Amino acid sequence: SQQGEEDPQALSIQEGENATMNCSYKTSINNLQWYRQNSGRGLVHLILIRSNEREKHSGRLRVTLDTSKKSSSLLITASRAADTASYFCATDDGGSQGNLIFGKGTKLSVKP
Amino acid sequence: DADVTQTPRNRITKTGKRIMLECSQTKGHDRMYWYRQDPGLGLRLIYYSFDVKDINKGEISDGYSVSRQAQAKFSLSLESAIPNQTALYFCATSDSQRHHHGYTFGSGTRLTVV
Repeated sequence: SQQGEEDPQALSIQEGENATMNCSYKTSINNLQWYRQNSGRGLVHLILIRSNEREKHSGRLRVTLDTSKKSSSLLITASRAADTASYFCATDDGGSQGNLIFGKGTKLSVKP
Repeated sequence: DADVTQTPRNRITKTGKRIMLECSQTKGHDRMYWYRQDPGLGLRLIYYSFDVKDINKGEISDGYSVSRQAQAKFSLSLESAIPNQTALYFCATSDSQRHHHGYTFGSGTRLTVV
């Protein structure tokens, strides 16, 4: 069963603009992670935010987490054509094993 | 060399055939996972292993089996392949002592069952 659900499903922007992707989830979590996938390739871990954190930065990435709304957002600032990829949020299953459950992803297209 | 290597990269097989997908890692991670990805459905967990000889079913284990004979290797078998097992399969690893590093994924195996 899906835990995370990304929104929008697809996003098209111009280079230099900011891209915001959202993720909603259903049950309590220990942490939430964001991954990137270039077409047909493996996923790459971008950033992890713990349930007791509200915001985290890594380079041009900014992640927020609102546990009261069970939602997270990923902001990519000053986007580049090379940011074109699918972005997935993943939450742990809340149990002791901590397996990740992935959403369906947001497909981001950055036009030069 | 890649940290997580999957073989083969692409495979076409016939319905009813047994097929094995291999995964090996040089990360030294204790945990390994098999996911399948279908268009519009995201990634779904098939099996996972927290240590050698430890095997656990994921969300969609029916029709699949796995083997973890060594820490670095985790293989996925389709006992009798069927067309709806056509998908992109990913192996992933993680370190139970370093959750904040996330998962490391292989490049995937594209399997087509005809």
